[in-house]
Amino acid sequence: AQKVTQAQTEISVVEKEDVTLDCVYETRDTTYYLFWYKQPPSGELVFLIRRNSFDEQNEISGRYSWNFQKSTSSFNFTITASQVVDSAVYFCALSDLTGANSKLTFGKGITLSVRP
Amino acid sequence: EAQVTQNPRYLITVTGKKLTVTCSQNMNHEYMSWYRQDPGLGLRQIYYSMNVEVTDKGDVPEGYKVSRKEKRNFPLILESPSPNQTSLYFCASSLPPTGEDEQFFGPGTRLTVL
Repeated sequence: AQKVTQAQTEISVVEKEDVTLDCVYETRDTTYYLFWYKQPPSGELVFLIRRNSFDEQNEISGRYSWNFQKSTSSFNFTITASQVVDSAVYFCALSDLTGANSKLTFGKGITLSVRP
Repeated sequence: EAQVTQNPRYLITVTGKKLTVTCSQNMNHEYMSWYRQDPGLGLRQIYYSMNVEVTDKGDVPEGYKVSRKEKRNFPLILESPSPNQTSLYFCASSLPPTGEDEQFFGPGTRLTVL
């Protein structure tokens, strides 16, 4: 069965600090996809990134970067120079293509608070 | 604008009173699904649909029904709501599933069952 573990539940940092959100996954599939979503206080889910299992290149997008390591089954997310607007719940998710069901298996989420 | 809409956004109801949460997408997506989000549990899939008239159970289907009579709509039905169905509900849609496709999520419906 698919599983996503986000061991950190709550993280609090001061603005401009760097912060890394950890994600560890379990799957028996050789082909799979990993996602990060952001849920701001307003409640909607905002898609951040998708990564497939064959692409282990790290990715940087502005202040965001992602480190995918298949050897450790981890897909960590770093925010550089955090800002108050980064305060949100962050979910890591694994795509489970079981038959025709493209279910996303979510972690429990990490609540990030960025203080001014 | 490509979007998934849900109605209502907020609902407070009482135990046993049937309710329907609507979901509609304008992207001609074949695949749609419902998730519920609970504190400390993340999001869990309730039901999904691969196309019109094709639906199946997700991980937590008990107490819910769905229908898919039209491609764009995928309502979630609670025939007899109970307090343990108090949750934040999300509808999602995507192209035929290959696992890689971004799923577009609706804005969420916050349901309270008293």
